[in-house]
Formats: sequence, C-alpha cells, structure tokens
Amino acid sequence: SQTIHQWPATLVQPVGSPLSLECTVEGTSNPNLYWYRQAAGRGLQLLFYSVGIGQISSEVPQNLSASRPQDRQFILSSKKLLLSDSGFYLCAWTPGQGWTDTQYFGPGTRLTVL
Amino acid sequence: AQSVTQPDIHITVSEGASLELRCNYSYGATPYLFWYVQSPGQGLQLLLKYFSGDTLVQGIKGFEAEFKRSQSSFNLRKPSVHWSDAAEYFCAVGAGANQAGTALIFGKGTTLSVSS
Repeated sequence: SQTIHQWPATLVQPVGSPLSLECTVEGTSNPNLYWYRQAAGRGLQLLFYSVGIGQISSEVPQNLSASRPQDRQFILSSKKLLLSDSGFYLCAWTPGQGWTDTQYFGPGTRLTVL
Repeated sequence: AQSVTQPDIHITVSEGASLELRCNYSYGATPYLFWYVQSPGQGLQLLLKYFSGDTLVQGIKGFEAEFKRSQSSFNLRKPSVHWSDAAEYFCAVGAGANQAGTALIFGKGTTLSVSS
C-alpha cells in the first residue's frame, strides 16, 4: 500500500532563517505531488505541484521554492523565512491522472516563524 | 474564476443529532466536487466525491452529500453525529482541465464541534 511521509512534524524557526521540508511517497511510482499551505482561517492554498522529476509549477509567487530530486521525493524550501510563512504545510499525491483521482495527504508540518 | 464557499466557519451539534454542512461553488462547467475531513493536527482524508450520475453520493463514515446544480451546492449530511466526527471539513472543486498536475480549489473549511 501507498504511504506518504512528511518531516519534521513541527518546526520553530527565526525570521530570516532557511527552511527545508521534506515529503516522500512510498508504494507508487510517478505520482503527481503537491505542496499546500494551510493558514488559520484561510483554508488550503496550493503552493506548488510536480508531475515528474525536476518539473515544478508554482501557483503563488512568494519566497518559497520546491524541488523534486527523485521520483517520490518533494522538498519545500526557503532561503529566508518571513513571519507570514507560518502555517501548516501539507504534501499530497495523486496517481498521476488529474484531480479526478483522490488526493492523498501527508500528516503535515506545523511551521512557526518567530 | 472558480471558487468554493463554506458559509459556516464553526458549527456545534449535539451527539446523535443530524448534521448538514453547506458548500456552494462557482464554476462555469460541470463541477467535480469533493468533501475532505481533517482531524486536529492531521492531514486530510477524502469523505466522498461527485463526478456525474446520481446526485446523492455516499461516502465513508456514514456521510452523504447531494449535488444540486440549480443551487450550485454540494452539502454534506450525516443523520446521527458521533463525538469522533469533531473535525474540520473542507469542500473542494476540481477546476480547469482534468490533467496531470491540476489541483483542487478548497473552501476555507467548517469546524465541527460535537457536544455531549
């Protein structure tokens, strides 16, 4: 069966520090991968998605970036965190056939920027 | 532009009572609609989805939703709520071309509290 992992589970970082969040999927190949941010009272915002290794699409311009160095690995990064980057970051995957497929979400990373 | 509105930010229901969570969408073509649930500090889990056919959709955990095109709604219902149903619920619509990489548009969520 497929599983999706995210780490770390929680993170507290000072403003201006770098960020690296990791997401990995097991039990499938060539998944579509997504990064969402969930801020309090604002629902889920799609940040990035990837249909393959090295292929990244950005939905919202900001100081975050994403990379996909391996088929089942998706990384969210920042060179300098802002206070507004605080939130709950969710990684998700689908089997690769568009959004009619169920999106499977990871457990999330709670990021607090102080 | 496509959008999803969940008018109720927070709802409290007594255990054993019925539940209805509202969802309205704005989308020019045939919508593809979803309901997800998120337990505190966890990821999202799919409850049910509607693509076509019967407008009453059955999901997991005893939930159902009804698609009403005339009202642009996809309300989630459960006849008898259990304390374990306390969570945040998200309605979502699939927008744009159904192709690899296209994602969902989510509403802002409704928090459900269950009182004893």
